[in-house]
Amino acid sequence: SQQGEEDPQALSIQEGENATMNCSYKTSINNLQWYRQNSGRGLVHLILIRSNEREKHSGRLRVTLDTSKKSSSLLITASRAADTASYFCATDAGQAGTALIFGKGTTLSVSS
Amino acid sequence: DARVTQTPRDKVTEMGQEVTMRCQPILGHNTVFWYRQTMMQGLELLAYFRNRAPLDDSGMPKDRFSAEMPDATLATLKIQPSEPRDSAVYFCASGLESGVGGELFFGEGSRLTVL
Repeated sequence: SQQGEEDPQALSIQEGENATMNCSYKTSINNLQWYRQNSGRGLVHLILIRSNEREKHSGRLRVTLDTSKKSSSLLITASRAADTASYFCATDAGQAGTALIFGKGTTLSVSS
Repeated sequence: DARVTQTPRDKVTEMGQEVTMRCQPILGHNTVFWYRQTMMQGLELLAYFRNRAPLDDSGMPKDRFSAEMPDATLATLKIQPSEPRDSAVYFCASGLESGVGGELFFGEGSRLTVL
């Protein structure tokens, strides 16, 4: 069953614009992770935010986490054509030793 | 450059045939995961190993799928007999821990087409 659900399913923007993707989940978590997948490739880890953190930055990425709303957002600033990919959030079920469950992802298209 | 290696990258087979997919996790990683990706269902967890012991295979159709780790350097996913609905991309991922943190490293996937 799906733990995380991303929104929107698809997003098209111009280079230089910011892209915001949202993720909602159902159960309590230890941490939430965001992954990126280029077409035809495997997933690549972008950033991890723990349940006791509210915001985290990594380069042009900014992730927020609101455990009271069971939601997270990924912001990519000053987007580039190379950011075109699918982005997934992944959560555990709040218990040690559980596997990551992925949402269906947001497909981001950045045009130059 | 450490990475997860999956074989085959592409497999076309006929319904009823046995399919075996192999994964070499990153050396030193103690967790291994098998996921299946389709357009309709997204990424589904099939099986999960820690220190070679299966921890969770509840997402795997038991009648036709089996997952094993013969040793720390090899994980296998077998489908017997295969059916057209098994057509998907199968990903293997490895990590140092799960549930309490730790990123997963994914292979490039095995694209399976069952005719």
